[in-house]
Parts: sequence; C-alpha cells; structure tokens
Amino acid sequence: SQTIHQWPATLVQPVGSPLSLECTVEGTSNPNLYWYRQAAGRGLQLLFYSVGIGQISSEVPQNLSASRPQDRQFILSSKKLLLSDSGFYLCAWSASGNTIYFGEGSWLTVV
Amino acid sequence: GQQLNQSPQSMFIQEGEDVSMNCTSSSIFNTWLWYKQDPGEGPVLLIALYKAGELTSNGRLTAQFGITRKDSFLNISASIPSDVGIYFCAGLNNAGNMLTFGGGTRLMVKP
Repeated sequence: SQTIHQWPATLVQPVGSPLSLECTVEGTSNPNLYWYRQAAGRGLQLLFYSVGIGQISSEVPQNLSASRPQDRQFILSSKKLLLSDSGFYLCAWSASGNTIYFGEGSWLTVV
Repeated sequence: GQQLNQSPQSMFIQEGEDVSMNCTSSSIFNTWLWYKQDPGEGPVLLIALYKAGELTSNGRLTAQFGITRKDSFLNISASIPSDVGIYFCAGLNNAGNMLTFGGGTRLMVKP
C-alpha cells in the first residue's frame, strides 16, 4: 500500500533562518506531489505541485521554493524565513486523475 | 486561487444530533471529496464522489454529488464526540491533478 511521510513534525526557527521540509511517498511510481499551507484555523492553500522529477509549478508568489530531486521525494525550502511563514505545512500525493492523500503535517513556528 | 463556498463555517451541536454541511462552486468538478482534519494532523479522506447524483455512505456519513456537478453535501448522523474536527470539501479538476478546497466546517460536539 502507499504511504506518505513528511518531517520534521514540528519546527521552531528564527526569522531569517533557512528551512527544509521533506516529504517522501512509498508504494507508488511517478506520483503527483503537492505542498499546502494551512494558517491556524483556516483552509488549505496550495503552494507548489509537481507532476514529475524537476517539474515544479508555483501557485502563490512567496519566499518559499520546492524541489523534486527524486521521483518520490518533494522538498519545501526557504533561504530566509519570515514571521508570516509560520503555519501548518502539508505534503500530499496523488496518482494521476485520482484522489489526493495527505501526510501528517509539519508545524512551523517562526520566531 | 479559487475556493469552494462551504457552509456553515462552524457548528456546535449536542451528541446524538445529526449534522449537515455543504459546498457550492461556480465551476464544475468531476470528482468531489470530503476530508476530516483532526487538530495537528493532516486531512484524512472520508468519502469520494465520482458521478453526478451519486449518493455514497461510509458508516454514519453520507455524501452526495450534486446533479449539476457544482455542489455537494455531507451528512453525519447520530454525532459522537470523536466527530469533532474540521471538515473540508474539495473539488478535483478534470486533469485530476488539482484540488480546490472549501474553507472548512469546524464541528464541535457536546457530550
């Protein structure tokens, strides 16, 4: 069966520091991969999606970036975090034309 | 990006009561999904709807895909305390690679 994991689960980072969140999917090949952000008590905002290695689409301009170095690995990064980057980040995957499944989420607090 | 209109935003009900929430969109979707998110965790898929007019049940949950393909509702019967959480509707685009989310319905159940 397919599984998705993301880490770290929680992160407290100072303003201006870099960020790296990782996500891996197992049990499937060539998945679509996504990064969402959820501000406290609010809905889900799509940040990036990828349909293949090295193929990244950005939905929202920001100081975050995403990379897909391997088929089942998706990384969310920032060179310099802002206070407004705080939130709950969710990685997700789908097979083409199918339901989207979410990871456990990563809490980022920028202080 | 586009959001679905989900209502109500929050509900506070007594244990045992039935619950109903719905989503509407100005766009047509080929698939409607309903997710539940517990605090601090990623959304978990509850029900997926693939055909206009489809009515699907999952235990105490029932969801319908509107005949116009622009709306969906979710009913929860005989609510229990563990039903507490945020419920999201989502529409999947024709290509099957992009989810549009509703704003969420926060459900609180009083024992």
